[in-house]
Amino acid sequence: QKEVEQNSGPLSVPEGAIASLNCTYSDRGSQSFFWYRQYSGKSPELIMFIYSNGDKEDGRFTAQLNKASQYVSLLIRDSQPSDSATYLCAVSGTASKLTFGTGTRLQVTL
Amino acid sequence: SQTIHQWPATLVQPVGSPLSLECTVEGTSNPNLYWYRQAAGRGLQLLFYSVGIGQISSEVPQNLSASRPQDRQFILSSKKLLLSDSGFYLCAWRRQLNTEAFFGQGTRLTVV
Repeated sequence: QKEVEQNSGPLSVPEGAIASLNCTYSDRGSQSFFWYRQYSGKSPELIMFIYSNGDKEDGRFTAQLNKASQYVSLLIRDSQPSDSATYLCAVSGTASKLTFGTGTRLQVTL
Repeated sequence: SQTIHQWPATLVQPVGSPLSLECTVEGTSNPNLYWYRQAAGRGLQLLFYSVGIGQISSEVPQNLSASRPQDRQFILSSKKLLLSDSGFYLCAWRRQLNTEAFFGQGTRLTVV
């Protein structure tokens, strides 16, 4: 079982729709969770982080965490073509290790 | 403010040649440092991480090694490169446990 799993996609959504990206993790001791966006050929950039169960909103982005189900998701409202990228989920536990999923490629169509 | 420098941006090396990639962080002390590799179209594979000078944790032994000779310097090395070592190498830092990580611009390595 992979430590952090994501559907590779591509996930295709029309402009203006809500994109829903999902991530599961295997270590129940994981304490912090991050979403990064990566454009082709570039390094990842942080979108959001979440530590507690529930929802956290920042502009058009909402991160959701359910530790009991070992599940974290990212919702992007009013999707724009500029949101087309690969979204990486990252998980950190009690050690200093920071593990990434393989990423989900999002395509926002006009 | 904190910045992370990673060089070179691109590198083409023959099979069997050595490798040295360097990463430095400015504006912070005692950062956690990370080396990741990303193969074409794939996710980030954690190679090494370090919580302090001389302290290296290895996730993927292979033919790579890492060193941290100074607090804000992290070096990735190989004595003999393989074709499979090609990829996008990313250095990252974070302030402490469970905070977000910030990435350098990456080095695109092609082994020929």
